[in-house]
Amino acid sequence: DIQMTQSPSSLSASVGDRVTITCRASQSISSYLNWYQQKPGKAPNLLIYAASSLQSGVPSRFSGSGSGTDFTLTISTVQPEDFATYYCQQSYSSPRYTFGQGTKLEIK
Amino acid sequence: QVQLVQSGAEVKKPGASVKVSCKASGYIFPSYGISWVRQAPGQGLEWMGWISAYNGNTDLAQKFQGRVTMTKDASTSTVYMELRSLRSDDTALYFCARVDNTGYDRWGQGTLIIVSS
Repeated sequence: DIQMTQSPSSLSASVGDRVTITCRASQSISSYLNWYQQKPGKAPNLLIYAASSLQSGVPSRFSGSGSGTDFTLTISTVQPEDFATYYCQQSYSSPRYTFGQGTKLEIK
Repeated sequence: QVQLVQSGAEVKKPGASVKVSCKASGYIFPSYGISWVRQAPGQGLEWMGWISAYNGNTDLAQKFQGRVTMTKDASTSTVYMELRSLRSDDTALYFCARVDNTGYDRWGQGTLIIVSS
């Protein structure tokens, strides 16, 4: 199975900061990379699909980039509601869509 | 609107089995597969497996093969995930998710399974 590795595992930021999370795949996955946001006790919410496409209803401060094995999720100006855990997911190896280990974004 | 509604929380003893349901509504059921994902307390998301809502084909993560069965009932637009020989480390929140070309675009609310003697 394709392994996904995120960094950092946790991140402290202040409201208004620019934040970047990275995700690396164990093999090339083209642009088959999704990003999710999860808040405690809730289901994850799809933010970005196909590496850089914004899911409907997701604020434009979220953006994604990358292809091949290296990807990034950027929040341009962190808002209070953005403090959560973020997961990347590869959708190259259908239907085995595996996840990264998560990055927890905390308030500084 | 598209919804996935899961069955309620359960407490089970080690060695028992549990069957979680995921009822879909608001879309054409056979058109999308369903994946199951679990999350142990304080841990990340773990992909368990997938079932085709069209023909019932399944693909399970290796660690769950032999212990997990996924089935569907097209008459009620419901998918089921049965986990057998429960252990304490199966204690987790279990999610079903609709598989779209874009990823997992809709999720159930989660079902908490607690395994305790």
